[in-house]
Parts: sequence; structure tokens; C-alpha cells
Amino acid sequence: GAVVSQHPSRVICKSGTSVKIECRSLDFQATTMFWYRQFPKQSLMLMATSNEGSKATYEQGVEKDKFLINHASLTLSTLTVTSAHPEDSSFYICSASGAGGRVETQYFGPGTRLLVL
Amino acid sequence: SQQGEEDPQALSIQEGENATMNCSYKTSINNLQWYRQNSGRGLVHLILIRSNEREKHSGRLRVTLDTSKKSSSLLITASRAADTASYFCATDVTGGGNKLTFGTGTQLKVEL
Repeated sequence: GAVVSQHPSRVICKSGTSVKIECRSLDFQATTMFWYRQFPKQSLMLMATSNEGSKATYEQGVEKDKFLINHASLTLSTLTVTSAHPEDSSFYICSASGAGGRVETQYFGPGTRLLVL
Repeated sequence: SQQGEEDPQALSIQEGENATMNCSYKTSINNLQWYRQNSGRGLVHLILIRSNEREKHSGRLRVTLDTSKKSSSLLITASRAADTASYFCATDVTGGGNKLTFGTGTQLKVEL
């Protein structure tokens, strides 16, 4: 149980285009979903927290107009990187909490590797 | 920043040996969690220890928490080559709304 999927797993795009990444909780209803970014050989940095039906809360320094988050249902959250540039190339990972009614534990997706040319 | 510091940054051991990783943090926490990440993959939750707990076991894993020193350790006993991965501690900060702040990570390599 508590499986989280992400799609796509890998995406290459041209500079200036927008990229949408989906995060789904497959076997539980996620009360909260989190989006992280991880640069090579570095730790995960939280970008934003989203609750179903409400606006995402962004961490300091994360541009909300550039990283659009939609949490339309209890099993799906999307992150759209708008007008992507090479410096946005990174590993994006989502997580979801709420499995079994517990909010403490986050279950992570497999990540999406974004390369912007 | 609340981000935890982990040491060592990298650890290389032989199969069968024990591996110990340490994590320090800065502010009051609800719990501390350890995760494993294989290269280029997502994170796997290993163990959660609450602020009122001092030690927890799960299989070959043993986690300790010292809130007075704001530190935790992860011990992997009888390591295997399959344990090769990066290990991160993450803190659920008091009043933080269940957000996790990740440490810098320890890269563990277990050699045959």
C-alpha cells in the first residue's frame, strides 16, 4: 500500500516551453502533497505544499508564477514548470501524506528528471 | 536554516560491517525520519522516531534520538551490498504543518 506515482519519469524540452508533471497517490487519498526539487548530489529542497482544493503554499524563494501547482483531487497533484530554462533542469519529486489517516509519513514518488535544453 | 547536517558525507564499508550515520538539526521537532534513496530514484521511508522516543528498531536498522543534543543516528547492522544508497534524515519541525526538512545526506557504499 501507499504507492505514489509520477509521470513522466523523464522529460527533455526546449527552453521556453512549459512542462507538466503529475503526481498520483494510487491506493490512498492524500490529504497533502508536497513538491521537492533535488539537484545532483544534493538534498531535497521543499518547493511547495498543496492541499486538495486550496492554493499551494510556496517556500521562500520559489516563484509561484513559474511553478504552478494544482491539487484538483485527493489523488492527483500537478506541477507545471512554465517557460522552462536550463537552470530549471533538476529532479522533481512529489510526496503524499494521509495514508491510513496518518499525516506524519510522506510517501514519495519515483521522481521526474527534467532536462531543459 | 533548519536543514540538518549529516555526517559522514560519504561512507564506504565492507559487506557484513555496521554502518553508522549521524544527523544534527537546529530547532524543536515533532519527529525525525530516515529515508533511503537509490541513485536517481525516489525516496523510501525507513523509520520514524517521535520526539518523546529515544530509540527505535526495525529489522537491521536502529535509530536513536537525543533531543537535548538535537541529534539522531542511524545504524545499519550486518550491511549488504544492496544497502548501497544515499540516506537522508528529515525533521518534522514543531509548528511546521508536517513539512519535512531534509538533511544533507550520507552516501553509503557497501562493497563485497
